[in-house]
Amino acid sequence: EDQVTQSPEALRLQEGESSSLNCSYTVSGLRGLFWYRQDPGKGPEFLFTLYSAGEEKEKERLKATLTKKESFLHITAPKPEDSATYLCAVNQAGTALIFGKGTTLSVSS
Amino acid sequence: DAGITQSPRHKVTETGTPVTLRCHQTENHRYMYWYRQDPGHGLRLIHYSYGVKDTDKGEVSDGYSVSRSKTEDFLLTLESATSSQTSVYFCAISETGARGELFFGEGSRLTVL
Repeated sequence: EDQVTQSPEALRLQEGESSSLNCSYTVSGLRGLFWYRQDPGKGPEFLFTLYSAGEEKEKERLKATLTKKESFLHITAPKPEDSATYLCAVNQAGTALIFGKGTTLSVSS
Repeated sequence: DAGITQSPRHKVTETGTPVTLRCHQTENHRYMYWYRQDPGHGLRLIHYSYGVKDTDKGEVSDGYSVSRSKTEDFLLTLESATSSQTSVYFCAISETGARGELFFGEGSRLTVL
């Protein structure tokens, strides 16, 4: 049973077309939810950590939010350079992160 | 950028041969991780280390072993490589473990023929 599910698997947007990526989780005792960005051929790069429901974090055109069952990564007026795979991960037992399969975002000009 | 170096970056080998991947860090972080990334599966934890000579298994540890004799080096060994171990392997480091940010290396692409 997947503990971290990301949707959609792939998303195509026009430049300036805002949208949201979803990460739902089923772990109990969440100790942190993480968002990473991964460019082709590269390792994931940290974006945000959220620890409690209602918490929000922002960075440039990205905004991450957290509820008790899911997190959203909102992308406002995206640019082509925002194209990447976005990974969600949760810390359940405190030892390591459990990752979702990712959402691949393509933004065309 | 965090100082993490993975080697080799690319390797092609044959079934049944031993393979060792190396992760070297210059950040003096306590925690080190090995993940594999495959299409349709995402990132899956193989093994991790929480200190010198302290390691533990992850979700997909069968067929893999690890060693950490120094803070800066974490080795992943495939004793007898199989085609199912063809993958991209990522090393990650963290100062605080899973409570905080992981810094990832550039990855090692392994092909087992």
